[in-house]
Amino acid sequence: QVQLVESGGGVVQPGRPLRLSCAASGFNFSSYAMHWVRQAPGKGLEWVAVTSYDGNRKYYADSVKGRFTLSRDNSKNTLFLQMNSLRIEDTAVYYCARVGADFWTFYHMDVWGKGTTVTVSS
Amino acid sequence: AIQLTQSPPSLSASVGDRVTITCRASPGISSALAWYQQKPGKAPKVLIYDASSLESGVPSRFSGSGSGTDFTLIISSLQPEDFATYYCQQFNSYPITFGQGTRLEIK
Repeated sequence: QVQLVESGGGVVQPGRPLRLSCAASGFNFSSYAMHWVRQAPGKGLEWVAVTSYDGNRKYYADSVKGRFTLSRDNSKNTLFLQMNSLRIEDTAVYYCARVGADFWTFYHMDVWGKGTTVTVSS
Repeated sequence: AIQLTQSPPSLSASVGDRVTITCRASPGISSALAWYQQKPGKAPKVLIYDASSLESGVPSRFSGSGSGTDFTLIISSLQPEDFATYYCQQFNSYPITFGQGTRLEIK
């Protein structure tokens, strides 16, 4: 079945890096744009970044621009989020999500992973 | 950035009630709006996309309407499993934005 599984979360000190992964299965990963969305404890959903199906276009939220880098390996059906210069306010559950139509970049998110928790704390 | 304003922020209702949640976009976003349901500790689940299209597998008691700046999610007859938080989201343009959420609680 269609599935997304995030990994790589953990506890990290402010200023340190962390790399998240999202493993996709059950669909043609290379045909779909992919998002990262996060949710701070007790807060609402915040969009983080999106990459087009081929990785040629990437868009970031202002809050992470210049610190986070999105990439994908279509040969391994995996999405990555390299997070540098982490801040306390980056503490959140990070979800990867699939765009709801192949080859589109801006569309709703129809499949979500269960999330991985990132805690930035000294 | 496009701002989405949901109302009400929270709502108490009973099983069987008809519930309406609204989302206002500024500026307008045509029909590029989705609604999600999120239960505690779980990932969001899409209910409606393109403002009024029901996602496959979602019960027909959920419906969406609107275009431009004003959108509505209606649950026609609340079921126990519907008590959750609901978010609208626009995908008209970058950056993608979500509403602040509406928490639906049992009365």
